[in-house]
Amino acid sequence: SQQGEEDPQALSIQEGENATMNCSYKTSINNLQWYRQNSGRGLVHLILIRSNEREKHSGRLRVTLDTSKKSSSLLITASRAADTASYFCATEGSGNTGKLIFGQGTTLQVKP
Amino acid sequence: DAGITQSPRHKVTETGTPVTLRCHQTENHRYMYWYRQDPGHGLRLIHYSYGVKDTDKGEVSDGYSVSRSKTEDFLLTLESATSSQTSVYFCAISESPDITYGYTFGSGTRLTVV
Repeated sequence: SQQGEEDPQALSIQEGENATMNCSYKTSINNLQWYRQNSGRGLVHLILIRSNEREKHSGRLRVTLDTSKKSSSLLITASRAADTASYFCATEGSGNTGKLIFGQGTTLQVKP
Repeated sequence: DAGITQSPRHKVTETGTPVTLRCHQTENHRYMYWYRQDPGHGLRLIHYSYGVKDTDKGEVSDGYSVSRSKTEDFLLTLESATSSQTSVYFCAISESPDITYGYTFGSGTRLTVV
C-alpha cells in the first residue's frame, strides 16, 4: 500500500497565487522528499526534509514536516504557468531501508 | 536525464512473452530502483538494488525479476507479460537514500501488453 497520501488530488489556481499541497504518511520516516513531474516526463527532485527538521526553503518552495502528525506540506509561492505539473511526496522509512515510497500525487494547474 | 538512460522508450508486446527493460547509469551510484506508474496509483516500487548482485523486493514485485551484474546496469524482466503490466516504468538512481539532492529518474519506458 502507498505510504503517502496527498491532498488535494487536483488543484487549479491563477498565476501569482500560492499553492499548498499536503502529504500524510503512515510509518516512521528517515526523510520525506517532494518531486515534480511534467506531463510525459520523469520525476524531478525538488526538496528533501529530514525527520529532525521542521521546515525547509528552496527558492519559491517551502516544505514543512510534522512528525507527530505524520504530515508534510509543500507551498509554492507566487505560482507561474510553468509550475503546472504533478507533485509527489515520497518517504524513506526509518532505518535506512533504501526504499522510497511515493504518494499518489497532486495535479496542479496554474492558469495564466 | 543526464547520467541515466532507459531502453527501450516504448514497447508493445504480446501476453505471455518475456520482456526485459534496461536501465543504464553513468553516475556510479550504488542504489538503483524500478518503479511503475499507473493512473490512480502514483509510483509503486517494484524492485531495487543496493549494490552489484544485491537486490530486494518492493511493493509490487510479483511477476517481475531483476538483475544487476554491473554497477551501471539494472535490468527488469517481466517473466510472462500480462495486460495488467501495461504501464510506464521508471528507473531511478541514488548515491544514498538520504542524499540531499534525492533520486534521479530516467525518462521512462511505456510498455503495452496486448
